[in-house]
Amino acid sequence: SAVISQKPSRDICQRGTSLTIQCQVDSQVTMMFWYRQQPGQSLTLIATANQGSEATYESGFVIDKFPISRPNLTFSTLTVSNMSPEDSSIYLCSVSGGGNEQYFGPGTRLTVT
Amino acid sequence: DAKTTQPPSMDCAEGRAANLPCNHSTISGNEYVYWYRQIHSQGPQYIIHGLKNNETNEMASLIITEDRKSSTLILPHATLRDTAVYYCIVRVKGSSNTGKLIFGQGTTLQVKP
Repeated sequence: SAVISQKPSRDICQRGTSLTIQCQVDSQVTMMFWYRQQPGQSLTLIATANQGSEATYESGFVIDKFPISRPNLTFSTLTVSNMSPEDSSIYLCSVSGGGNEQYFGPGTRLTVT
Repeated sequence: DAKTTQPPSMDCAEGRAANLPCNHSTISGNEYVYWYRQIHSQGPQYIIHGLKNNETNEMASLIITEDRKSSTLILPHATLRDTAVYYCIVRVKGSSNTGKLIFGQGTTLQVKP
């Protein structure tokens, strides 16, 4: 299994600002995924991040709003740009395990005021 | 992408078996059935997955019907700590073959003393 940590665990931000969320994995992984979970809702995939290439975004998510970096095989960042209250969510990163399962980080709880 | 249908909520008495159903009638031959759960305020946790045969691990058993159109997750002796939202997911393969997960609304299992 993979152990995933995220920073910050939570934050309260003002509208119009940006927040960068970090995801660190304890082993090298090819693919990392970023999800959003809005209050009371299920998880929605934002993008898939491969090391050394541009992230692949899902429908409804764009790079200008959610830029992603993947500088190496154990680390990724997701930035939530020009935030509005609608961006208040839990943001989670995950990685694929060797047996097709995915492991998730604890999440970053973002509140935009 | 195959979709899944789960009851929104279920109750189970502590110590009894919890049987969580899932319908996935449009599943294709190379798609796996995955189960995850999300305990309040935590990231989702992988439970089990299968293709066509029944599977068992230390957490649960997965029973997949012969036509693969439905499955049941069984927690043999539910405890209060098993109270969570349980997600049945069919693993999709996108154009980049990422194996990304598409989450539905899941079943909220309440284990009662």
